[in-house]
Amino acid sequence: KQEVTQIPAALSVPEGENLVLNCSFTDSAIYNLQWFRQDPGKGLTSLLLIQSSQREQTSGRLNASLDKSSGRSTLYIAASQPGDSATYLCAVHNQAGTALIFGKGTTLSVSS
Amino acid sequence: SQTIHQWPATLVQPVGSPLSLECTVEGTSNPNLYWYRQAAGRGLQLLFYSVGIGQISSEVPQNLSASRPQDRQFILSSKKLLLSDSGFYLCAWSLGLGDTQYFGPGTRLTVL
Repeated sequence: KQEVTQIPAALSVPEGENLVLNCSFTDSAIYNLQWFRQDPGKGLTSLLLIQSSQREQTSGRLNASLDKSSGRSTLYIAASQPGDSATYLCAVHNQAGTALIFGKGTTLSVSS
Repeated sequence: SQTIHQWPATLVQPVGSPLSLECTVEGTSNPNLYWYRQAAGRGLQLLFYSVGIGQISSEVPQNLSASRPQDRQFILSSKKLLLSDSGFYLCAWSLGLGDTQYFGPGTRLTVL
């Protein structure tokens, strides 16, 4: 059974700092991996999707990497801003592509 | 552009009462549709997905059911709510299996 773990559960950084969020999964037979952002009481916003054949994907100040063989992904946020404060969720698609399996998230707080 | 709607935004229901949550998608045809639940202290869990009208797959046995009466309409129902049905219910859509999933704003359900 696929399990997704995100470490740390919470992270506080000062504005301007570069940071890395970690995600690990137990079964490397994934279709792809998706990173989301969730603001308190809100739905999920898709940030990046990495296909299983890709190593990384970039969007603005965000860079996500995928090492399928070791079951790891990282989300790198450059020059963090207070507006980046949110919970970041990592999710892997099962091999059939029918279901996203989510981690419990990392709650990020960026102080000005 | 595509838009996903969910209603109601919040709902408080007594134990044993029925439930109907609705999700609609605009701006795309024949989307894959998904229902997820986010319970307190737990990660997001896929409940149902649908690849077409009348086609529903259930991921976990539970007190809930889903229906897709129209191409862009997905309904989550229960005949008798349990306390354990409380949570944040999110609807999502994608173009195909394994594609990026886009989430709605969610419905906060409290069962008393």
